[in-house]
Amino acid sequence: DTGVSQDPRHKITKRGQNVTFRCDPISEHNRLYWYRQTLGQGPEFLTYFQNEAQLEKSRLLSDRFSAERPKGSFSTLEIQRTEQGDSAMYLCASPGATGGNEQFFGPGTRLTVL
Amino acid sequence: GIQVEQSPPDLILQEGANSTLRCNFSDSVNNLQWFHQNPWGQLINLFYIPSGTKQNGRLSATTVATERYSLLYISSSQTTDSGVYFCAVIFQKLVFGTGTRLLVSP
Repeated sequence: DTGVSQDPRHKITKRGQNVTFRCDPISEHNRLYWYRQTLGQGPEFLTYFQNEAQLEKSRLLSDRFSAERPKGSFSTLEIQRTEQGDSAMYLCASPGATGGNEQFFGPGTRLTVL
Repeated sequence: GIQVEQSPPDLILQEGANSTLRCNFSDSVNNLQWFHQNPWGQLINLFYIPSGTKQNGRLSATTVATERYSLLYISSSQTTDSGVYFCAVIFQKLVFGTGTRLLVSP
């Protein structure tokens, strides 16, 4: 257990529906990262927060995607009007208990869009 | 952007064998991590190794930043070592390599 939790663990939805995922990072750390992993590939960076501020967004994050971190603690990732190409594992990461550059991952949310 | 390549892409071993996984990166880096992804998708931290050598049980890792590569050694492999191994270089965000899929058979 890395101390990073994600909810739900699995989500099956129909094309066109909206979905929202939640990440609770290791407490007391101001950085939080979202990644996406498709089948057979390594994880790819989506976006990251420092406290409430979203400091970087990948070009993978189309306008259907929005991420928030309202109080600098947990974060949500919403996908609007889901498409089959959005099917992937969505991973959240944060630094460890001692801070620094090392990142620790949650168990991920596996999204299937039918 | 930086390119991170891993080799071999696939590896099949008999239990008890040793192996070396390689990670090459195209630009200078200050930080690098190795992960094991289990069959359920969980990324497990193996090493945080910007440079030098570290050991943890049957696993060890070496990073030679000046030559832009890192190696992960697995000795006396076990079936539970099966899975996908990723290296990732750290530029605030992680840039992952292409992965090595390892299968250890009994």
